[in-house]
Amino acid sequence: AQSVTQLDSQVPVFEEAPVELRCNYSSSVSVYLFWYVQYPNQGLQLLLKYLSGSTLVKGINGFEAEFNKSQTSFHLRKPSVHISDTAEYFCAVSDFAGGGNKLTFGTGTQLKVEL
Amino acid sequence: DAGVIQSPRHEVTEMGQEVTLRCKPISGHDYLFWYRQTMMRGLELLIYFNNNVPIDDSGMPEDRFSAKMPNASFSTLKIQPSEPRDSAVYFCASSPGFIGTALSSGGYTFGSGTRLTVV
Repeated sequence: AQSVTQLDSQVPVFEEAPVELRCNYSSSVSVYLFWYVQYPNQGLQLLLKYLSGSTLVKGINGFEAEFNKSQTSFHLRKPSVHISDTAEYFCAVSDFAGGGNKLTFGTGTQLKVEL
Repeated sequence: DAGVIQSPRHEVTEMGQEVTLRCKPISGHDYLFWYRQTMMRGLELLIYFNNNVPIDDSGMPEDRFSAKMPNASFSTLKIQPSEPRDSAVYFCASSPGFIGTALSSGGYTFGSGTRLTVV
């Protein structure tokens, strides 16, 4: 069965500083990986995705993530954050071991950007 | 397209009452998913449909929960009777195809959610 671990529940960071949100996954087969962002009182929006090909993927709002198969990780990074990046970030994985079409989400990381 | 539309946005009900949450997926999307979000358990998949047929309901917590999709443009999630521990945000999401295919390389599109409070 697939699973996702987000190691940090909260990450405080100052504006214009770099940030990394960590995500590790567990699956016995090939996976697709996603990062979603949730702003207060809103639904989840797709930030970026890894399906195949280049292990470094770029998303919206200056975010990027790197797929590392040997470490089963898909960490999210941004070189310089803004106040508007304050939100909750979810890592998600989809595999086909169970024959389904499920996205399994991590528990989320609350990014708080401070002045 | 207006996106995935959920109603109501907020629902407050008394314990024991029946609650019905509604979802309109994006037109042309063959898959519809119901998720529940709580502080303790995060995002949990409750059930999903493909072409209006329930495919996997293993996440439905108990018999008090039921979900239907009578047609391609409408789905309901019903809780009867409701209990305080059902308080959560319930999200509906839809997808035009199998994740990772050319149709659905972006994963799911989520609605804005229904915040349910059972008192």
